[in-house]
Amino acid sequence: DAKTTQPNSMESNEEEPVHLPCNHSTISGTDYIHWYRQLPSQGPEYVIHGLTSNVNNRMASLAIAEDRKSSTLILHRATLRDAAVYYCILRGGNTDKLIFGTGTRLQVFP
Amino acid sequence: EAGVVQSPRYKIIEKKQPVAFWCNPISGHNTLYWYLQNLGQGPELLIRYENEEAVDDSQLPKDRFSAERLKGVDSTLKIQPAELGDSAVYLCASSLDRRNTGELFFGEGSRLTVL
Repeated sequence: DAKTTQPNSMESNEEEPVHLPCNHSTISGTDYIHWYRQLPSQGPEYVIHGLTSNVNNRMASLAIAEDRKSSTLILHRATLRDAAVYYCILRGGNTDKLIFGTGTRLQVFP
Repeated sequence: EAGVVQSPRYKIIEKKQPVAFWCNPISGHNTLYWYLQNLGQGPELLIRYENEEAVDDSQLPKDRFSAERLKGVDSTLKIQPAELGDSAVYLCASSLDRRNTGELFFGEGSRLTVL
């Protein structure tokens, strides 16, 4: 299973944009890039996913590098509620496995 | 619409005792997962069900852990006997199917403390 590399932690101020990076140099052509986040004392929740093109939804945007070896989750205006651990996950082929790493802990300051 | 429901939320037991966790997935979701999450770590897959069939249980410690999903709906994860190292959060998730574009919906988890 292809792996991802994320910074252990990041900080942001409220209402500022946040760019969470993820490296996945061994990604295969059929791997989708998924992002989940986990708020304190909650189960993970889906944020966004993409294959090759950039994606936008109501929660975030996903920017995927042209060679697909890296991606960036963009929170356009961070709120205190966005403080969580963010997981970048590759999911591909015919497997349904969602293999989590240790993620990036995002702190948001008022 | 109700999400994935797990119980109990918290359980404290002494080592060597048995414990069971229950999960009710979202209605209509065929795929069900049990994950284990240790403190400061990401969740790790224990077992995945397609309807009532366990299709991936390679990470389930079968000497003490067992799981079932009767009738392809609710699921139970059991540990017998529990060890100190089993203290963790046990997460249940469900999805409509096994497509790799699908979204997993997680419950709030069951936190186990083994004394």
